[in-house]
Formats: sequence, C-alpha cells, structure tokens
Amino acid sequence: ETGVTQSPTHLIKTRGQQVTLRCSSQSGHNTVSWYQQALGQGPQFIFQYYREEENGRGNFPPRFSGLQFPNYSSELNVNALELDDSALYLCASSEGGSSTDTQYFGPGTRLTVL
Amino acid sequence: KQEVTQIPAALSVPEGENLVLNCSFTDSAIYNLQWFRQDPGKGLTSLLLIQSSQREQTSGRLNASLDKSSGRSTLYIAASQPGDSATYLCAVWGQGFSFIFGKGTRLLVKP
Repeated sequence: ETGVTQSPTHLIKTRGQQVTLRCSSQSGHNTVSWYQQALGQGPQFIFQYYREEENGRGNFPPRFSGLQFPNYSSELNVNALELDDSALYLCASSEGGSSTDTQYFGPGTRLTVL
Repeated sequence: KQEVTQIPAALSVPEGENLVLNCSFTDSAIYNLQWFRQDPGKGLTSLLLIQSSQREQTSGRLNASLDKSSGRSTLYIAASQPGDSATYLCAVWGQGFSFIFGKGTRLLVKP
C-alpha cells in the first residue's frame, strides 16, 4: 500500500505566474483535502474533493482552484501568484470526507514566490 | 468561528523528562481532535485521534486527553527522547469538512 505522494517537492515562481501542484491519494481513498501552511503557522484548509466534486472550501479566493481525477488523484492550481502564497502545501487523503475518517498527509510541496 | 490555541509555543527539556503540551479550542461542538507531529519542512504524522465521545487515547509513551466541555486537550509525553524533537500540532474537526489547526508547540529534547 503506497502512501500519499506530492509533486513537485519544491517550486520557485514569480509574482503573477500560475502554478499546479499534484497529489496522489493513498490506495482506496476517494477524498483529498488541501491545506496551506505558512511559516510558523498551522495548516489552513483550502478545499476538499470527494469523488471528483468539491465538497467544502475554506476562506481562500477563487484563484485557488482544484481538480480531482477518476483515479482520485488531485491538483491544486493557483493563478496570479502573490508573495503571500509562499508556503508549504499539504494534501491529505481519506476513505471518505467525514469526521470519522482518518486523514493521511503527504510530505508537502514547498512553494516560494519571488 | 473555531479557534485553536496551543501553549507553550516552544519548549526545551532535558532528555528523560515527562512533559505536557496543551491545546484549547473555543467551540466545543467538535467531532474529534487529533494530535500530529511535524518534522522541519515535512508533512504531518498522525499521533493520536480522539473521537468526541472519548476521553483519552494512548499510544506507547503518548497519552492524549480530551475535555470537550472545557475546550481543552493535553498531550502527555513520558520519558522524552531527543527523537521526540519536532513541532506538535493539535487539530479539531468541527462543523466544516476539515481540521482547524493550532500553530503548534516546538519541542526540543536535549540529550
């Protein structure tokens, strides 16, 4: 059984550019959640996908968007990058989207915006 | 709006000490609370998950308690080791579809 994987590991972009981050969920998991963790802060919820549909969203602007594919892997897209988007982006997968489902986190993608 | 606070923000102890990390939350209507460990620049490792109907969970040298009515949880680490050095995050699952995290406690265990 493979765990949650994310790519790339590190990424450097400039302001105004667009970026796509990828997450492969753990085998058998149909739900993926994305979090943003700024330096020295706890992770903040961006959104969750359940069976290819957005299932909940945190307080992030529309330039943060996502997709979930039929194999339940997921992408996080961020348009018009800002300096404050520099953070560790974490994805977590679970068997379902409920509170009783354990979430398994990937190692994260470190995004730096210059 | 749910807020999660962790005290202390940082802690340095000699090896072998027993220690307690604290977590408080403002809205007691939670489904569960989870403690995570995060090594520098890395993802999160789940340590203990306490459902709202439970009072505590134990795993090895770790024990976590939950008092929903007072909005508090503690993580107790027995006989600390240098390998325990990391940031410990507390998160609650409330009315939304996600965890609300605290900022974490940075723990350093000195040999």
